[in-house]
Amino acid sequence: SQTIHQWPATLVQPVGSPLSLECTVEGTSNPNLYWYRQAAGRGLQLLFYSVGIGQISSEVPQNLSASRPQDRQFILSSKKLLLSDSGFYLCAWSDWGGSADGDEQFFGPGTRLTVL
Amino acid sequence: GQNIDQPTEMTATEGAIVQINCTYQTSGFNGLFWYQQHAGEAPTFLSYNVLDGLEEKGRFSSFLSRSKGYSYLLLKELQMKDSASYLCAVRLTGGGNKLTFGTGTQLKVEL
Repeated sequence: SQTIHQWPATLVQPVGSPLSLECTVEGTSNPNLYWYRQAAGRGLQLLFYSVGIGQISSEVPQNLSASRPQDRQFILSSKKLLLSDSGFYLCAWSDWGGSADGDEQFFGPGTRLTVL
Repeated sequence: GQNIDQPTEMTATEGAIVQINCTYQTSGFNGLFWYQQHAGEAPTFLSYNVLDGLEEKGRFSSFLSRSKGYSYLLLKELQMKDSASYLCAVRLTGGGNKLTFGTGTQLKVEL
């Protein structure tokens, strides 16, 4: 079966510090990978998605970046955090989305980031 | 732009039936998903509709009308553990299997 891991679970960082959040998926090959942010009381906002190694699409202009160095590894980074970067960061995976099935997205446990 | 509307909050009684509505206006449509999210946790998949009609999965059912841009999630025999946020998401056409989420409906189940 497939599993998705994220770490760390919680993080408190000062404004202006760098960020690196990691997501790994097990039990599947060539998944689509996604980074979302959920601000308090808000919906999920898609930040980045990737359909393959080294292929990153950005959905929202911001001071965050994403990388996919390996098939099942997705990293979210920032060089200098802003207060507005606080939130619940969720990584998700899905199959490629071209089948007749739903190809739903499966979410990792999330990282709660507080920028002070 | 994409627009997905859900009620912000709903309250229902244990054992009852509740219907959570979702309307959408998107530039493309390739399926609608419902997720459940308990406080502080990740969303978990509940249901998927791509054709008009009702899909039933145990106590949960989901309905879709593509011509009306409308879906609902029906929860029967409510239990206290059903207290959670319910997220409606539309999969857009184009690559990437991307989802656009509504802001979610917070359901509170009371005794």
